[in-house]
Amino acid sequence: ETGVTQTPRHLVMGMTNKKSLKCEQHLGHNAMYWYKQSAKKPLELMFVYSLEERVENNSVPSRFSPECPNSSHLFLHLHTLQPEDSALYLCASSTQGLAGGPLEQFFGPGTRLTVL
Amino acid sequence: SQQGEEDPQALSIQEGENATMNCSYKTSINNLQWYRQNSGRGLVHLILIRSNEREKHSGRLRVTLDTSKKSSSLLITASRAADTASYFCATDARGSTLGRLYFGRGTQLTVWP
Repeated sequence: ETGVTQTPRHLVMGMTNKKSLKCEQHLGHNAMYWYKQSAKKPLELMFVYSLEERVENNSVPSRFSPECPNSSHLFLHLHTLQPEDSALYLCASSTQGLAGGPLEQFFGPGTRLTVL
Repeated sequence: SQQGEEDPQALSIQEGENATMNCSYKTSINNLQWYRQNSGRGLVHLILIRSNEREKHSGRLRVTLDTSKKSSSLLITASRAADTASYFCATDARGSTLGRLYFGRGTQLTVWP
């Protein structure tokens, strides 16, 4: 266990559904991340939150909507997804590094999303 | 882009052998990290090496960094079947958003009993 939990672990949804992914960390970290992992592709950073403010939105379609209500929780709201959005969605958290660059990130187990 | 590229894409060895994976990147970095991922699970941090370090050890892991060649290697000694996983290098890029890491596609390591 890394101290980062994600729910649900598996999700199957139709293209017209609305669902949310949840991530929780109690490691005292001040940065949280959403990544998308598709087969045969590098891990894609979707969103970065630092001190509950979104500091990066990596050209992600608006059908993905993140929310960070506090430093321990991160959500990814999903609506009108496409089949190509099927992937493993990973949440991570870290302490923001300063002069020494980014520090290690702690990942959750991921949510396996299938869009029909 | 800055993302690291691991080589080889796949590596298959017998238990007890050493496994070496390489990573190349493009721009100056503050540090380089290696992660491991078991199938369908989250990534687990293995080791971080700073740009002013050349070699680092952690248990059976040995990481080297050559900033002049913009490359790193991860050596797993005396491999075990439980080492079977995908291994990723991750780099930052100087001047980029704090905390932003660039990952490669990974090396799939299979260790046969």
